[in-house]
Amino acid sequence: QVQLVQSGAEVKKPGASVNVSCKSSGYTFSIYRITWIRQAPGQGLEYMGWITPYDGSSHYAQKFQDRFTMTTDTSTATVYMQLRSLTSDDTAVYYCARDRVSWHSYEKDHWGQGTLVTVSS
Amino acid sequence: QSVLTQPPSVSGAPGQTVSISCTGGGSNIGAGYEVHWYQQLPGRAPKLLIYVDNNRASGVSDRFSGSRSPTSASLAITGLQAEDEAEYYCQSFDRSLGGLVYGGGTWVTVL
Repeated sequence: QVQLVQSGAEVKKPGASVNVSCKSSGYTFSIYRITWIRQAPGQGLEYMGWITPYDGSSHYAQKFQDRFTMTTDTSTATVYMQLRSLTSDDTAVYYCARDRVSWHSYEKDHWGQGTLVTVSS
Repeated sequence: QSVLTQPPSVSGAPGQTVSISCTGGGSNIGAGYEVHWYQQLPGRAPKLLIYVDNNRASGVSDRFSGSRSPTSASLAITGLQAEDEAEYYCQSFDRSLGGLVYGGGTWVTVL
């Protein structure tokens, strides 16, 4: 069965960087786009960006473009995200999610369990 | 401020029907991009309910249905049950932003 398993919770100080991983299994990793979405406490969903493992092509939401990077490791079927220059506003649960259809679809049918990132001095 | 607009909350008694609206603009729903709906239980990841306007995701009860008009979409829940109490989000694509956009979420209360 399809599974996306994310790395564990992180606590970071303002100005630091955080790395979160999303390990996939149960499907052909390279041909399904992975999207990162975050959710601040008590707030709604916010799109951050997506990446296609096959060729590393990606799109970043303008809000995060200068401090957010996504990478993939096809040998381990893992997608990584790094968010830099953290502030308290980045405190959120970060989700990775897979497209429902290979290559391209906007809807996400499988989600990771979420990773809580807390930014606090 | 979310790009797509949803009511903050709706409520209904068990067995009743509730509807959640999702209103967009000319660069997303109005431009013809499809709408998708997710259910999120407290402390859990979102779950795909409806994709491409009116298609139920695998394993989703037929009590859930989606519809759309030129600049908006709706999710209907019929035969409301206690287990339907959750947050519901609509999602589309925005060509001006070049990425996904979401509604602010609607909390459904089963009275």
